[in-house]
Amino acid sequence: GQSLEQPSEVTAVEGAIVQINCTYQTSGFYGLSWYQQHDGGAPTFLSYNGLDGLEETGRFSSFLSRSDSYGYLLLQELQMKDSASYFCAVSGHNYGQNFVFGPGTRLSVLP
Amino acid sequence: AAGVIQSPRHLIKEKRETATLKCYPIPRHDTVYWYQQGPGQDPQFLISFYEKMQSDKGSIPDRFSAQQFSDYHSELNMSSLELGDSALYFCASSSRGLAAQETQYFGPGTRLLVL
Repeated sequence: GQSLEQPSEVTAVEGAIVQINCTYQTSGFYGLSWYQQHDGGAPTFLSYNGLDGLEETGRFSSFLSRSDSYGYLLLQELQMKDSASYFCAVSGHNYGQNFVFGPGTRLSVLP
Repeated sequence: AAGVIQSPRHLIKEKRETATLKCYPIPRHDTVYWYQQGPGQDPQFLISFYEKMQSDKGSIPDRFSAQQFSDYHSELNMSSLELGDSALYFCASSSRGLAAQETQYFGPGTRLLVL
């Protein structure tokens, strides 16, 4: 089986930097993804790590350490529109298999 | 750019009725996923298809079934509906053939309410 852990809530102010951690326990591992979801909306893909290291996409970066079963999403220059839920998700043995979302982290960005 | 299309967007049913949700993936995407998301919950993986064959099965109840057709659209059939089936149902698609990176593109969801 697979299980993921994330902080349930994070609060930060506009312009700040915030890091959302994700730890996982899986019987197999293919990759770690991050998704953003606004209330009532659909999850939107943010970033993916298949190998150890840092991936950078604009204001968002994601990091993976497979040996530690750990990853994080780094959001820089926070904006009010970044207030949303952020989910890490793990693919198990192979592409499209055993895909499991974490419980989600609700980010609130304050003015 | 074309996105994942889901229909209907909203559906109201009564207990013990049946419902069919439809999903039209992004053109040339070969993999379709179905998720169920309750209020304040994370999306729960139900089932996935790759090239019209079932690829993986998650927490899909026996009352539910799904298939992917020759034109790659997919349908989720839900029978003997229960109050607890009220949720947002998302379909997502990806293209396994184009990249090893598993990027799923989600549709807007179907909000099902069972009365």
